[in-house]
Amino acid sequence: AQKVTQAQTEISVVEKEDVTLDCVYETRDTTYYLFWYKQPPSGELVFLIRRNSFDEQNEISGRYSWNFQKSTSSFNFTITASQVVDSAVYFCALSDPRGNNDMRFGAGTRLTVKP
Amino acid sequence: NAGVTQTPKFQVLKTGQSMTLQCAQDMNHEYMSWYRQDPGMGLRLIHYSVGAGITDQGEVPNGYNVSRSTTEDFPLRLLSAAPSQTSVYFCASGEGLLEQFFGPGTRLTVL
Repeated sequence: AQKVTQAQTEISVVEKEDVTLDCVYETRDTTYYLFWYKQPPSGELVFLIRRNSFDEQNEISGRYSWNFQKSTSSFNFTITASQVVDSAVYFCALSDPRGNNDMRFGAGTRLTVKP
Repeated sequence: NAGVTQTPKFQVLKTGQSMTLQCAQDMNHEYMSWYRQDPGMGLRLIHYSVGAGITDQGEVPNGYNVSRSTTEDFPLRLLSAAPSQTSVYFCASGEGLLEQFFGPGTRLTVL
């Protein structure tokens, strides 16, 4: 069965600190996709990134970066020089689009960035 | 484009009442889905559809029905609401699971 674990329930940092959100996944599939979504206080879900299981290259987008390591089944998300606007709940998710079209989300990590 | 729209935004029901949560998208996506979000549990898939006339169950389908008569609409029905169905419900659409666009959510309280 597919499972996503985000062990950090809440993280609090001061503005300009770097912060890493952990995501560990379990799947028996060889082809799968990993995602990160952001849910700001307004409640909507914002897509951040998708990564397929065959692409282990790290990705950087501005202050955001993602580290995918199949050896440890992890897909961690780092925010560099955090800002107050980064305060949100962040979800990691896993899917196998060739299978049952199911997507499994982690429980989420609430990030609070204090000024 | 309006994207994915959901109505109502808020709803309070009494135990045993029925209601339909509406979801519509104007992006011509074949794939649509319903999730519920509960504290500490992330989002869980209720039902999904890969096209008009095709629906299937997700992780937590009990107590919910869906239908997909058009590409645009994917309503979620609660036939007999229970307090355990108090949650925030999100509808999503996309080109399969690879990029889902989520609606703004419906906050449902069942007393």
